[in-house]
Amino acid sequence: DQQVKQNSPSLSVQEGRISILNCDYTNSMFDYFLWYKKYPAEGPTFLISISSIKDKNEDGRFTVFLNKSAKHLSLHIVPSQPGDSAVYFCAASAQTQKLVFGQGTRLTINP
Amino acid sequence: KAGVTQTPRYLIKTRGQQVTLSCSPISGHRSVSWYQQTPGQGLQFLFEYFSETQRNKGNFPGRFSGRQFSNSRSEMNVSTLELGDSALYLCASSLFSGVVETQYFGPGTRLLVL
Repeated sequence: DQQVKQNSPSLSVQEGRISILNCDYTNSMFDYFLWYKKYPAEGPTFLISISSIKDKNEDGRFTVFLNKSAKHLSLHIVPSQPGDSAVYFCAASAQTQKLVFGQGTRLTINP
Repeated sequence: KAGVTQTPRYLIKTRGQQVTLSCSPISGHRSVSWYQQTPGQGLQFLFEYFSETQRNKGNFPGRFSGRQFSNSRSEMNVSTLELGDSALYLCASSLFSGVVETQYFGPGTRLLVL
């Protein structure tokens, strides 16, 4: 049972435009959500997180939105840059260090 | 501050052998978690250690084990290797356990089982 789902395996966006990556979850016990970025042959790099008591968190070009009633979160990257091309994972946890990851979305930024 | 380090970075083993992977967390971090990444299953949680005690465990067979030392460094062992154990093994560290907190990942050890 996939508790965290990223339904889009890939996304292609033009440089300078907005990238929107989506993630759905099923476990209502999740209360902390994170986005990680991963380049090939490297470990995931932490991008941004959000607690379930918030519905939005912003850090520079990155904004994460959480809709608890829909069990949905999204990552917005504005403006998108070529260096943003990577695989993005959303992850969730429920008061433990056990992170449950989505399958990832490969983002490609086209010049 | 130095990040999470993992050794070795690459490893080739044959079926039936055993392997030990090492992880040094960020200085001051006491929680170390291990994950397996495969193309088919994505990133899956193996286990977490905090203060030399296993705090959480994922759904992996007993061939996968770990331990943590007093300096928070952790090792993961896989015995009787199978072809399906070929994967990227990632270690992540955080300050504490059992609280909402960000984990930081190392570069991983890529294991190939022939």
